[in-house]
Formats: sequence, structure tokens, C-alpha cells
Amino acid sequence: SAVISQKPSRDICQRGTSLTIQCQVDSQVTMMFWYRQQPGQSLTLIATANQGSEATYESGFVIDKFPISRPNLTFSTLTVSNMSPEDSSIYLCSVGWAGLGDEQYFGPGTRLTVT
Amino acid sequence: AQKVTQAQTEISVVEKEDVTLDCVYETRDTTYYLFWYKQPPSGELVFLIRRNSFDEQNEISGRYSWNFQKSTSSFNFTITASQVVDSAVYFCALSEATNTGNQFYFGTGTSLTVIP
Repeated sequence: SAVISQKPSRDICQRGTSLTIQCQVDSQVTMMFWYRQQPGQSLTLIATANQGSEATYESGFVIDKFPISRPNLTFSTLTVSNMSPEDSSIYLCSVGWAGLGDEQYFGPGTRLTVT
Repeated sequence: AQKVTQAQTEISVVEKEDVTLDCVYETRDTTYYLFWYKQPPSGELVFLIRRNSFDEQNEISGRYSWNFQKSTSSFNFTITASQVVDSAVYFCALSEATNTGNQFYFGTGTSLTVIP
């Protein structure tokens, strides 16, 4: 298993600004993922954060809007850029290993409100 | 098409009742994994169970049990003698291999409320 922390836990931001969310895990992991969960909805994968290379984005998500860094095997950041109210959501970091059957462990999430 | 379907959006039960959460999945792979996660009001998803496609044995863990049936592509979750602490959103998920690596697909979740 893994223990994951995220900062900030919540924030209220003005439209047009950017917010960087940090994800720290207590052990080295192969995979780190970023999800968005809009109110009352399921989880949507934004991207897979790759250590030492560019993130792999899912359809509908682009690097300019959601730049991601992963400088090492225990840390990643997600930036939500030029925010609009539609970006209000919970952003979740998860970690896992490379095997098909490996479960993902989730951080506590960052609750973002854009006004 | 939705790969994981949780048809029950919300369920309410009275404490001590049994409740079953349904999950139907869709895949063409012969090797895949199924998961259940719990998301309590605090928001953090908690991993409950993993099942691989070759193991159809039912599993019981305390008050929780899971019924995996490949014939109906279902992986249902039963809570026996429900408690207020079971109130949460429960997500079923499928993991399968894709061109870009292993992909998780989450269902839309079932919100369970246990009334004291």
C-alpha cells in the first residue's frame, strides 16, 4: 500500500488564475495518475504522470490547460491553468504499479472552487 | 459505451438490513481485473477488493461479500447487516490492458445511505 498526501486540501480561486496541486507519496511508485471528479460524478482520468518525461493525457485534456510535472518517483504536481467555474471539481492523485492487476491508491483530494 | 455500469444511483437502507450493489462490466479481454472502492463523505477513495478474471470464487470479508459471475459480466457487492458507517459512495472499476498501458475504468458510483 501507499500513503498519499495532497496540498492544498481545498481552495477557492478566481477565474483566470492558476492553481498548482501537489501530490506526495511515502514510497517510490511506478505510476502516478491525476483524476477529476466533478460534483456527484465518477472519476475521469486526466493524465498519467511519467517520471522524467511528459505526461500522457487522456482525450479531452491538454497540457496547456493541465501541465503536470513528475520530477521523481514520489512526487507530482498538477496545475489547473486559466481557471473557469467549469474547473470546479475535486482533483485526485492516485498511485500504482505497472501490473495489470495492481490497485490504485488515492490521495484525499483537492476540492477546488472557481468563482 | 460505458465499460462499467452501476445502475443504482442511490440506495437507502435501514441499519442492519442487507444491501447489494450491482456492477456490470464490458470487455473483450480475457485477462482483466475488477475492483471495488469506497468513498466516504471525507472524500478519500478506499480500496476494498480486487478480483482477476480467472477467479470466480466468491469472497467474504467480514460483513462484505463479492459475487463475480463472468456469464453475466457482473461483480456485485453485498453488505450484510449494514451500519451507518457504511454510508458512502461505492465505485466499481475495471482494469484492462490498452495500447497505452493498463487503464482503469470507473463506474458512476452508487451512493449508499444507511439510516439509523
